[in-house]
Amino acid sequence: SFVLTQPPSVSVAPGQTARIPCGGHKIGNKSVHWYQQKPGQAPVLVVYDDSDRPSGIPERFSGSNSGNTATLTISRVEAGDEADYYCQVWDTNSDHLWVFGGGTKLTVL
Amino acid sequence: EVQLVESGGGLVKPGGSLRLSCAASGFTFSSYTMNWVRQGPGKGLEWVSSMSSSRNSISYADSVKGRFTISRDNAKNSLNLQMNSLRAEDTAVYYCARASSGSPVYFDYWGQGTLVTVSS
Repeated sequence: SFVLTQPPSVSVAPGQTARIPCGGHKIGNKSVHWYQQKPGQAPVLVVYDDSDRPSGIPERFSGSNSGNTATLTISRVEAGDEADYYCQVWDTNSDHLWVFGGGTKLTVL
Repeated sequence: EVQLVESGGGLVKPGGSLRLSCAASGFTFSSYTMNWVRQGPGKGLEWVSSMSSSRNSISYADSVKGRFTISRDNAKNSLNLQMNSLRAEDTAVYYCARASSGSPVYFDYWGQGTLVTVSS
């Protein structure tokens, strides 16, 4: 099945830009979705279809996808952005329909 | 307002069974594919199973195939997961998640989860 690779952790100072990569073979050919999960809470969709934002998600959250890497970018990082972030794709080439990356812990210094 | 509320979690011995339920409200349940996703303690998200709106398309992760059975009752707006032959590695919070309509498909709403602990 399709494998998504994320770094375990990313650290950034408040006000700076955080970039969280999600690697996969030719992932640029797939639609990538991103979820934010804070401790003890359910995941929340923050970006879908590579770069679209659901209503209620700040414009500071954006995404891109090309080649073998998709990236979630969080601009002007705030303390409240500290969370785990997961990328997800629909693996149409197998019956393991949905694949998640291993998750990245974003730490705001 | 879309709401998904899971129930049925608890402590069960290895080899035992448990049935999870997800009560849906705030949307036309019968029109959406529904999913179960789990998260082991300190681990990442793992997709478990999906069932289409009309129940004609069902999929399972390899890790649960042959042991778990997904079902739904569109008249009662409920999604279920029958878990048999449970193992320690099935210990996790189990989330019910709605798949968006149209394309591409993503999980646009999640429940708060129910904890399943498999231990002797």
